Amino acid sequence: GAVVSQHPSRVICKSGTSVKIECRSLDFQATTMFWYRQFPKQSLMLMATSNEGSKATYEQGVEKDKFLINHASLTLSTLTVTSAHPEDSSFYICSAGGGNYNEQFFGPGTRLTVL
Amino acid sequence: AQSVTQLGSHVSVSEGALVLLRCNYSSSVPPYLFWYVQYPNQGLQLLLKYTSAATLVKGINGFEAEFKKSETSFHLTKPSAHMSDAAEYFCAVSEIRSNFGNEKLTFGTGTRLTIIP
Repeated sequence: GAVVSQHPSRVICKSGTSVKIECRSLDFQATTMFWYRQFPKQSLMLMATSNEGSKATYEQGVEKDKFLINHASLTLSTLTVTSAHPEDSSFYICSAGGGNYNEQFFGPGTRLTVL
Repeated sequence: AQSVTQLGSHVSVSEGALVLLRCNYSSSVPPYLFWYVQYPNQGLQLLLKYTSAATLVKGINGFEAEFKKSETSFHLTKPSAHMSDAAEYFCAVSEIRSNFGNEKLTFGTGTRLTIIP
């Protein structure tokens, strides 16, 4: 299958700072990328869907000004957590779909800890 | 609206025993159903998917699942558990009937599978 990477894998930041997480499809062009948030021992909650070149579609209850998503190319989407607070600490996972593949591929996740 | 219920947040089986992880779905249209596996601190890997073809779906690592419309179920099974099967398993549903790479997935709460030596 295709490979999706995320960077960084772990990040620790101070409250009030902004953190950018990258999601890359390494060997295919992803027309759609999804961002999920996973709390400890819980399921994945979809935060937003992004299509290359257009604005992301956010799920109900997700603050778009808090979680900025950019999908500027077919291989890269970024999630920026602005003015991070301890309650934003979580495991963030992206997935990518499109190209010749008939399924969605998940990245390894980014663990964000806000102190 | 679509939803998935996974019965049993934790399941323990002995090595070599049958694995059965339960998933029931709710969907207003015929669903597409998926099982994913997640190892610690990793993303999700697709085990198998049902897309309205054969109701018995075979996946990777010896897993299979059967779609039963009358029971709105899509339980995951494996005849003989291996130590390497220990992980978190998620059932998911999609209603979007397009390219599967662009589907919006709704996940269940997950089942943690423990294998007893």
